Amino acid sequence: GENVEQHPSTLSVQEGDSAVIKCTYSDSASNYFPWYKQELGKGPQLIIDIRSNVGEKKDQRIAVTLNKTAKHFSLHITETQPEDSAVYFCAASIREGTYKYIFGTGTRLKVLA
Amino acid sequence: DSGVTQTPKHLITATGQRVTLRCSPRSGDLSVYWYQQSLDQGLQFLIQYYNGEERAKGNILERFSAQQFPDLHSELNLSSLELGDSALYFCASSVGSEVRREKLFFGSGTQLSVL
Repeated sequence: GENVEQHPSTLSVQEGDSAVIKCTYSDSASNYFPWYKQELGKGPQLIIDIRSNVGEKKDQRIAVTLNKTAKHFSLHITETQPEDSAVYFCAASIREGTYKYIFGTGTRLKVLA
Repeated sequence: DSGVTQTPKHLITATGQRVTLRCSPRSGDLSVYWYQQSLDQGLQFLIQYYNGEERAKGNILERFSAQQFPDLHSELNLSSLELGDSALYFCASSVGSEVRREKLFFGSGTQLSVL
């Protein structure tokens, strides 16, 4: 069926460096692509999202880019800080009968001080 | 604080038992979603309700059922529990039903341990 693939599964970066997480989706009708951050012991929290009529969106140190032709979107975190350490999930709306909100498998980001 | 309330936070039970997880959505949100997160796994979509009606269904087992009540709170019922049902169960809510543009707000989850 339709799905969302996310890479890498783990990522370690030095504090101050950039981190990039990539997702691909299979449903060409998908048009909304959010990113969630899950800290230990908490529920996921929306950090940024993008719609298919936009190629890039930025919010301070985080940005998301979308390539609809290739069906992939990426999360970019610049000037990483220890508090960025968390699990990050991408998501997309996938049509299987009705539309469903499907998440990628997650990326565990570790920012090394 | 997302505004989504889940109870209980922790639940320990035995195989074969039945449990009920409860979720109160953010004020004004009409959709409720249930997700299962096993150890080191992603978020598996179980089911979505909108204003009391089932909207979308994921890979929810037949032993599991859910409903959304007139006051919009939702309950997830898990029966004939197995060891493999041990997981973190999240509830999320959104304003509308159109998942292609909804922002989801998650509760802090219910940790279920089946012994």
